[in-house]
Amino acid sequence: GESVGLHLPTLSVQEGDNSIINCAYSNSASDYFIWYKQESGKGPQFIIDIRSNMDKRQGQRVTVLLNKTVKHLSLQIAATQPGDSAVYFCAEKAGNAGNMLTFGGGTRLMVKP
Amino acid sequence: EPEVTQTPSHQVTQMGQEVILRCVPISNHLYFYWYRQILGQKVEFLVSFYNNEISEKSEIFDDQFSVERPDGSNFTLKIRSTKLEDSAMYFCASIVAGGTGGFREQYFGPGTRLTVT
Repeated sequence: GESVGLHLPTLSVQEGDNSIINCAYSNSASDYFIWYKQESGKGPQFIIDIRSNMDKRQGQRVTVLLNKTVKHLSLQIAATQPGDSAVYFCAEKAGNAGNMLTFGGGTRLMVKP
Repeated sequence: EPEVTQTPSHQVTQMGQEVILRCVPISNHLYFYWYRQILGQKVEFLVSFYNNEISEKSEIFDDQFSVERPDGSNFTLKIRSTKLEDSAMYFCASIVAGGTGGFREQYFGPGTRLTVT
């Protein structure tokens, strides 16, 4: 049978509120950090990336913050909508890699209407 | 919008059997990847492929795995003798160009669920 996977941390927010999803990374040599969204039964979908020499980058309704001192990455989603419900993964690309990505453990975002 | 496609969506096989998972990357893309995701766990890198050869592989990608681009469109992952622990979602991804000079968004396919019994 299927193996039981790790329990994903879950963030539950009310529709319209802001969401903050956090991630810790491990490789100081990573030059890019990326957030992916994965809906049930689908592949990861790119949201936003940030280069290691930046500490903040904004997209449409999303902001990524990078704190290299504590190796922490966060994704802020403004005015969260039901369509934002998904599992969110952070990923990092090492500076010497040909775009190979190392993914973090994922956070499930549940948006209550 | 162009997208990566994968077939089959679900493959059930018996332990010890060979399986081939198929992917059609986006047509002008040059770098191709396979990742896997065991149920409820994080996505793990398997292999990257460029210019008809493997450019990187993880320790998961042992001698039981191989990749091939048999023609101008398909990119395949073969598992020679499947084990129970190979049960997972397998994702194909592609990018326009690679290299170490920057970041290129990887476009992922919908995945193939492999179930080994």
